[in-house]
Amino acid sequence: SQQGEEDPQALSIQEGENATMNCSYKTSINNLQWYRQNSGRGLVHLILIRSNEREKHSGRLRVTLDTSKKSSSLLITASRAADTASYFCGTSSNTGKLIFGQGTTLQVKP
Amino acid sequence: DTAVSQTPKYLVTQMGNDKSIKCEQNLGHDTMYWYKQDSKKFLKIMFSYNNKELIINETVPNRFSPKSPDKAHLNLHINSLELGDSAVYFCASSPPGDGAFFGQGTRLTVV
Repeated sequence: SQQGEEDPQALSIQEGENATMNCSYKTSINNLQWYRQNSGRGLVHLILIRSNEREKHSGRLRVTLDTSKKSSSLLITASRAADTASYFCGTSSNTGKLIFGQGTTLQVKP
Repeated sequence: DTAVSQTPKYLVTQMGNDKSIKCEQNLGHDTMYWYKQDSKKFLKIMFSYNNKELIINETVPNRFSPKSPDKAHLNLHINSLELGDSAVYFCASSPPGDGAFFGQGTRLTVV
C-alpha cells in the first residue's frame, strides 16, 4: 500500500533557486523522513521530523509537517547542480513500516 | 566501511531460475527491510525483520523468501523468476525511531 505521494513528480530549476517538494500521506504516523536518491544509487537519509514537530532545519534543508493536513514539504534553498536527484518522503508508523511514494525528480541546471 | 552492503550489484538470469541476494549491515540495527523499486522509481516495501523475526510481509508472492540467519543479515531468495521480477532491490536497516540506511541496490534483470 502506498502511503506517501510526492508532488510535483518532476521539478527543473536553475542553480541558486529554491526547490520545494510536497508529500501527502493517508494514515497516522510516528515520523516522516526525507531521502535523496542519486541515479543508480541507494537512498540517503536527509532529515526526520517527528509527528509532534512542525518544522526542522538541517543546513540548506527545511522540512515542515502539518499533521492536520497529513502533508509535509521539503525546501532546498540556494540549490546546486549536485542537488540533482530524486527525493522521497517516507512515513513510519506504529506497525514498524517505512513506506515511500514515487518521489520527486529534481533537476538543477548550472 | 560500508554500512549496508548487498551482493551482487547486478544479476541477469533466465526465467524460471532461482537466485539469492545477500544483505549485511554492520550498524548493529535490529530492523532490516527489503524494498523493490520499479522502472517508475516507485519503492515498495516487501519485508521487514526485527531481530531476526519477520514483522511485515507485504503481499509478496511466496516465491520470495527472506532469510535472516542473524540480526546483521537479511537475505532474499527468489524461486522461479519471472519477467515481472525485474527491478532494483534494496536492503535497508534502521535503529528504532530513526532514519534508515540503504544498500546500493541489486539490479535484477530476468530474460
